[in-house]
Amino acid sequence: AQSVTQPDIHITVSEGASLELRCNYSYGATPYLFWYVQSPGQGLQLLLKYFSGDTLVQGIKGFEAEFKRSQSSFNLRKPSVHWSDAAEYFCAVVVYGGSQGNLIFGKGTKLSVKP
Amino acid sequence: DAGITQSPRHKVTETGTPVTLRCHQTENHRYMYWYRQDPGHGLRLIHYSYGVKDTDKGEVSDGYSVSRSKTEDFLLTLESATSSQTSVYFCAIGGTGRNTEAFFGQGTRLTVV
Repeated sequence: AQSVTQPDIHITVSEGASLELRCNYSYGATPYLFWYVQSPGQGLQLLLKYFSGDTLVQGIKGFEAEFKRSQSSFNLRKPSVHWSDAAEYFCAVVVYGGSQGNLIFGKGTKLSVKP
Repeated sequence: DAGITQSPRHKVTETGTPVTLRCHQTENHRYMYWYRQDPGHGLRLIHYSYGVKDTDKGEVSDGYSVSRSKTEDFLLTLESATSSQTSVYFCAIGGTGRNTEAFFGQGTRLTVV
């Protein structure tokens, strides 16, 4: 079955440090991949997406992600974390069955930022 | 922000009562989704719709039903609420093909006592 794995449940980084959040997917075809962010008590906001083409995609708030087919990964990165980046991050993949698609999420990684 | 409105935003109900959550969109998207979010489980798909009167089950559909009689509204019904259905419910909308990113509502916090 198709799945998305985020191996890290909780990560703490210092403000100004670099960040990498891991995401691995299990899906036979070329996936459509997404990263979303959720601040406490809020809905989910799209950070970036990969459909095809350049494997390094840029998103909002200074985030980027790299699609690596050989590793079935789509890791999220940011060179310098800000305190406002503290939130929960979700990786997701669109899964197609016939002509319909639905969005499957990982379980999320909670990011804490130390001053 | 995408035009998605969930109602109610908060609800407390008793075990065994029926509950209906509403998702309304103004974006004319074909796809609409209902997810539940629970600590340690992330977001899990309950049901989704790919058009008017076209719906399908997701990962955790037991105990839930949905209806979509017009493009803009997608209703989620708990026929007989149980405590295990206490959760935060999110509606999302999206397109098809390359335009498959989903936009989320603000969520409905449902407590079943």
